[in-house]
Amino acid sequence: GAVVSQHPSWVICKSGTSVKIECRSLDFQATTMFWYRQFPKQSLMLMATSNEGSKATYEQGVEKDKFLINHASLTLSTLTVTSAHPEDSSFYICSAQLAGLSREQFFGPGTRLTVL
Amino acid sequence: QKEVEQDPGPLSVPEGAIVSLNCTYSNSAFQYFMWYRQYSRKGPELLMYTYSSGNKEDGRFTAQVDKSSKYISLFIRDSQPSDSATYLCAMVSNDMRFGAGTRLTVKP
Repeated sequence: GAVVSQHPSWVICKSGTSVKIECRSLDFQATTMFWYRQFPKQSLMLMATSNEGSKATYEQGVEKDKFLINHASLTLSTLTVTSAHPEDSSFYICSAQLAGLSREQFFGPGTRLTVL
Repeated sequence: QKEVEQDPGPLSVPEGAIVSLNCTYSNSAFQYFMWYRQYSRKGPELLMYTYSSGNKEDGRFTAQVDKSSKYISLFIRDSQPSDSATYLCAMVSNDMRFGAGTRLTVKP
């Protein structure tokens, strides 16, 4: 089946630093990837849609200058949390979409970010 | 009104019970319907996807779609403690929309 990996699986950083999270589709090409964040006991919140070779589309209320997304290839998208603050602590999950009509999304295992 | 409504639970059942999880939706443009299972601190895992109204079965799992009522269900037969997770429904028209997720606990 379609496998998506994320790295790192968890990260702890100091306030004010930047953190990069990688999302890779391992056995398929994904022209579209998505970034979500999830707070404890809450559902997924879509942050942005990332299309290969073009600028990401951000959901309302998500600061594009704070959450930098790069989708440089058909198998890799990165999310950089710039100048992280404790309120950015969350579970960040990416997904990659299969080409075709069904638009199934396959999710990575998530990255837990803790900002001290 | 949210596009997708899902009771967040929590839902607790004894081992072996039949579990029924449901979502309703308001957008008749949704064409594809999916169920994801998410264990704690893990990414969601695709369980089932369906396109048309009716039932689709896969082992102990049955997905049911009723487009006329805008209602989808996931049934789990002979539930096991390993089924304890959060179950999210998802629907696709141009974009994917998720339900809030239902937390299920199956007690031994």
